[in-house]
Formats: sequence, C-alpha cells, structure tokens
Amino acid sequence: DGGITQSPKYLFRKEGQNVTLSCEQNLNHDAMYWYRQDPGQGLRLIYYSQIVNDFQKGDIAEGYSVSREKKESFPLTVTSAQKNPTAFYLCASSIGGRGGTEAFFGQGTRLTVV
Amino acid sequence: DAKTTQPPSMDCAEGRAANLPCNHSTISGNEYVYWYRQIHSQGPQYIIHGLKNNETNEMASLIITEDRKSSTLILPHATLRDTAVYYCIVRASGSARQLTFGSGTQLTVLP
Repeated sequence: DGGITQSPKYLFRKEGQNVTLSCEQNLNHDAMYWYRQDPGQGLRLIYYSQIVNDFQKGDIAEGYSVSREKKESFPLTVTSAQKNPTAFYLCASSIGGRGGTEAFFGQGTRLTVV
Repeated sequence: DAKTTQPPSMDCAEGRAANLPCNHSTISGNEYVYWYRQIHSQGPQYIIHGLKNNETNEMASLIITEDRKSSTLILPHATLRDTAVYYCIVRASGSARQLTFGSGTQLTVLP
C-alpha cells in the first residue's frame, strides 16, 4: 500500500546524544516535511524539502538537521544542540509546493530524552 | 500564509451535525482553505480543501463564504470516532512552504 512511514514509533535517548528519525514515502511525492508537536500545541515546521538534494529551514530548525539524498527518504537528526528535544515528531509529504494538493502524514515518532 | 482563528473547543451530540467555524479574514485570492484533523497521538488526517466553491466528499462538507473570509466544516452525522482536534489552514497556491498549523478546535462528540 502507498503511504508514509515513520520509525520507530517510540524512541528513548540519553541527553547529549544525537538521534535520527526515519521517514519514508512510496507516494512518489516531491515534497517532504518535518513537524514538531508539543503537548496541547499545534504543529511547528522544522524543515522541508521540495526536491532531492535541496531543503529549507522552517520555523524551528535550530538543533536539527536533515538530508534528502533520495526522493523517498527524508531523515531528521535531532542533535545535542536541541535544548528541548522531547516531543512528538511528524513527517509529511505532498506532490509539490502547489496549493490545491493535500499533504499526507506519517503516524509520528514520540521522542523522549532522559 | 493567512492566519486562521478557530474556537478552542466544541461539543456535539452523536448523530447530529457538527459545524466547525473558521475565520480567515486576511486570506488572499490564491489561498486555499484546508481542513485536517488529528486524533490523539496520531498523525493529522486530511479531510477536505477548497478555493472558492463549496466542496463535499465522503467525510465532510466545506462551506466557504462568498467573501472567503470564513468557512465552516460540516460533519453531517458525527460519531464518537470523530472526536479529534480539527485544524483549519490556508495555504497559497505555489507556496514553497507547507501548511501552518494553529491550535485548532477540540471537537468532542458526546454519546
């Protein structure tokens, strides 16, 4: 089935360690996105990528890094520089940056840093 | 992208229509109105979107006012499984950025 897959669903890390969250899509979408969600809050954009080998910072990119080496993959690394990394992370994809097209979301990764 | 305003919470009786309002008074001519919902601890789910005309699909109807400054999402027969946070978003055609989410409306469907 076509879709967008995030793994793992739950992730625990010690403070000071970098951690990479996986996001894979088989929808042949050009655009991919990473959001962060804190309890009781809406989604905030971390990074987005419109095409392979290109990505742009969103509203809260500090402490995060991404790569887009393949169309179907957009991994997010939470670095030790991120001061409050514990959150729910959501990946999304869409056909492109055009209006009138919907985005599809993965089921999220809940990261807990202890 | 234009900012949206939604009530923080609403209740609806099971089987009745749920009408969720959204104000987007600064919307531009090329901006679409999108609705998503998020059930607790899951990824947001696309519901519907529109530009000027009213839209209907198997999940819901979207009514956009003639001046496009507000819209209403209608769930015609709400069920308990429709309990979720509903987000109203506007997005420009050709925008390189993705959807900007606000706090949404927590809809609780009551038995």
